[in-house]
Amino acid sequence: NAGVTQTPKFRVLKTGQSMTLLCAQDMNHEYMYWYRQDPGMGLRLIHYSVGEGTTAKGEVPDGYNVSRLKKQNFLLGLESAAPSQTSVYFCASRSGGLRLYEQYFGPGTRLTVT
Amino acid sequence: GENVEQHPSTLSVQEGDSAVIKCTYSDSASNYFPWYKQELGKRPQLIIDIRSNVGEKKDQRIAVTLNKTAKHFSLHITETQPEDSAVYFCAASKAGGGADGLTFGKGTHLIIQP
Repeated sequence: NAGVTQTPKFRVLKTGQSMTLLCAQDMNHEYMYWYRQDPGMGLRLIHYSVGEGTTAKGEVPDGYNVSRLKKQNFLLGLESAAPSQTSVYFCASRSGGLRLYEQYFGPGTRLTVT
Repeated sequence: GENVEQHPSTLSVQEGDSAVIKCTYSDSASNYFPWYKQELGKRPQLIIDIRSNVGEKKDQRIAVTLNKTAKHFSLHITETQPEDSAVYFCAASKAGGGADGLTFGKGTHLIIQP
């Protein structure tokens, strides 16, 4: 049981390049989330999904797109990377069970945009 | 949307003393309040959480209190140890609602002095 995994762990992009971050969970969780963490800031919600085939915007969605084609995977895409998207990205998942609220986090992806 | 304020940003205590971190939230509909510990370069780890139908919860040296009327909650760590040194984040959410991602405070860097 690997929990929540993220690919890649590190990445350096040039401005304007695109990339996709992959989050995978093996806990059969319904809900999945993407957060970004900047120095001196807490985590901020980018997008989330409450089930396969559904996505919704969070607090800071601009410049990102997401897809949840399979229940276990949640992809975060950057179509045209900007230096302001330099950050550490965390994926999380949560059971959809009633009263099961804990979010489990992945190890993070450190992205630098030059 | 929800806004979570966290204080202090840095807290230095002597080993063995107690530490208290405070958070306030703005949305009276929030009903789930977790606390996460994050060590340098690692993912956030849930250490304790509380729901709005409970005023206090304790787990060994860690306790959380919630005042719904005043919309604030606090983390208490007693008999602090060197391994308690980390960044601590509070968060709030309307768990089970449509937009149930976590809104985080900006974090408290807890330093345990030997």
